[in-house]
Amino acid sequence: DSGVTQTPKHLITATGQRVTLRCSPRSGDLSVYWYQQSLDQGLQFLIQYYNGEERAKGNILERFSAQQFPDLHSELNLSSLELGDSALYFCASSPRDYLSTDTQYFGPGTRLTVL
Amino acid sequence: AQSVTQLDSQVPVFEEAPVELRCNYSSSVSVYLFWYVQYPNQGLQLLLKYLSGSTLVKSINGFEAEFNKSQTSFHLRKPSVHISDTAEYFCAVITQGGSEKLVFGKGTKLTVNP
Repeated sequence: DSGVTQTPKHLITATGQRVTLRCSPRSGDLSVYWYQQSLDQGLQFLIQYYNGEERAKGNILERFSAQQFPDLHSELNLSSLELGDSALYFCASSPRDYLSTDTQYFGPGTRLTVL
Repeated sequence: AQSVTQLDSQVPVFEEAPVELRCNYSSSVSVYLFWYVQYPNQGLQLLLKYLSGSTLVKSINGFEAEFNKSQTSFHLRKPSVHISDTAEYFCAVITQGGSEKLVFGKGTKLTVNP
C-alpha cells in the first residue's frame, strides 16, 4: 500500500459526459501527479500540482483539467468524453516539487470506460 | 523532444534464469533515467533511478541497471529471477533542467515461468 488513495476504482460512462476523479496523496506529500495509461498511448504524464499550484504539464488535453485543494487532495476533471479516453488514470504523490528527482508513490488507479 | 524505446514488449523466462530488459532513450540534453514496475492490478512502483554519479544503480530486490551514455541505454538486469518478478516494467526519462516532462517507454511484460 503506497498510501495514495484514488476514488472511484471503476467508472463507466457515456460519450459526451463529464467525470471527476479524486486523489488523496500520502500524508505530508505536497506534489500530486496525474498519469493516463491506455493500450494505444501507453503511459503518459498529464500534469503536476505542488501545494495547490500547477507546476508541470504533459500531454493533457484541453478537455481535461485538474486542481489541487488546500487539503492537498486533487481532482482530475474529464469532459466531453470520447471512446479514446477509456484508460487507467493514475495519481502519484511525492514530498517536494522535484518532478525529476523525487520518488513518486502511485495510487491503485481509476479505470475509466467510455461507452 | 526526448523519447524512450523498450525493444521487447514481452520477455518470458524460467525461474532462476538471468534476464535483461532493454531500454534506449533519445535526447539532445542530459537526462535522468528511471525504471518502474507494475505488478498485476497494481499501480507503479519506482524500482531504481539514475540521477548522477555511479552509472550502475541497484534496487533492493536484486535488479540493477547501468547508464551508458555513449549507447544512450539504461538496460535492467537481474542475475536470477523469481516467479514474483512477473510484472510489467517501464523505463522512463526526464530531461535535466528542461521542461519537467516524464516520458515513459511502452513497457516490457516479464513473465517468469516455473
